[in-house]
Amino acid sequence: EVQLVESGGGLVQPGRSLRLSCAASGFTFDDYAMHWVRQAPGKGLEWVSSISWNSRRIGYADSVKGRFTISRDNAKNSLYLQMNSLRAEDAALYYCARDCQTFTWVYGMDVWGQGTTVTVSS
Amino acid sequence: SYELTQPPSVSVSPGQTARITCSGDAWPKEYASWFQQKPGQAPVLVIYKDNERPSGIPERFSGSNSGTEVTLTISGVQAEDEADYYCRSADSSFISYVFGTGTKVTVL
Repeated sequence: EVQLVESGGGLVQPGRSLRLSCAASGFTFDDYAMHWVRQAPGKGLEWVSSISWNSRRIGYADSVKGRFTISRDNAKNSLYLQMNSLRAEDAALYYCARDCQTFTWVYGMDVWGQGTTVTVSS
Repeated sequence: SYELTQPPSVSVSPGQTARITCSGDAWPKEYASWFQQKPGQAPVLVIYKDNERPSGIPERFSGSNSGTEVTLTISGVQAEDEADYYCRSADSSFISYVFGTGTKVTVL
């Protein structure tokens, strides 16, 4: 079964750091670009960051650029999001998602995890 | 900044056709995808590459691209189609993405 499972969310104070992980299974992880998408309570979807299958191409939303770092470990079938200098507006449910076709990153995201919740509060 | 605009809500009776538009300024170059999200659930891809349906998505879901606007059409709407729908595209450099503002589809 193709599956993505996020972990690492929690309550963190403003200005602190958190590292999210996404464990992939059921597919050849290193053939696919991967994405992080977040959704604040009651709000819409917001793209956060993406990484190509070989880590050579990376993109960030302007709202997180310079504070968040995406990475992957293909040997461990894992995706990560290092979040530094967290702000109240970063509070959201963070989803990990797989691109829908191999060796590309533009067509869509066909597999999603259930998300991990990040709360930023003092 | 790059933005994709959707109508906040669309209401439709069962069996009728729902059309959700998504407006941006880069459609001629970028591919659109559409996601369905029901309360408390992760999004589900219903259309990718403008008009392709993933396996398992009913044929009543279709997509089109007219140049400056893309549209998700749900033909013969069923009660189970009630959900929020989001479009998504890439910017011209393909290294960032934008989701639309979202449309709540209500089945009357």
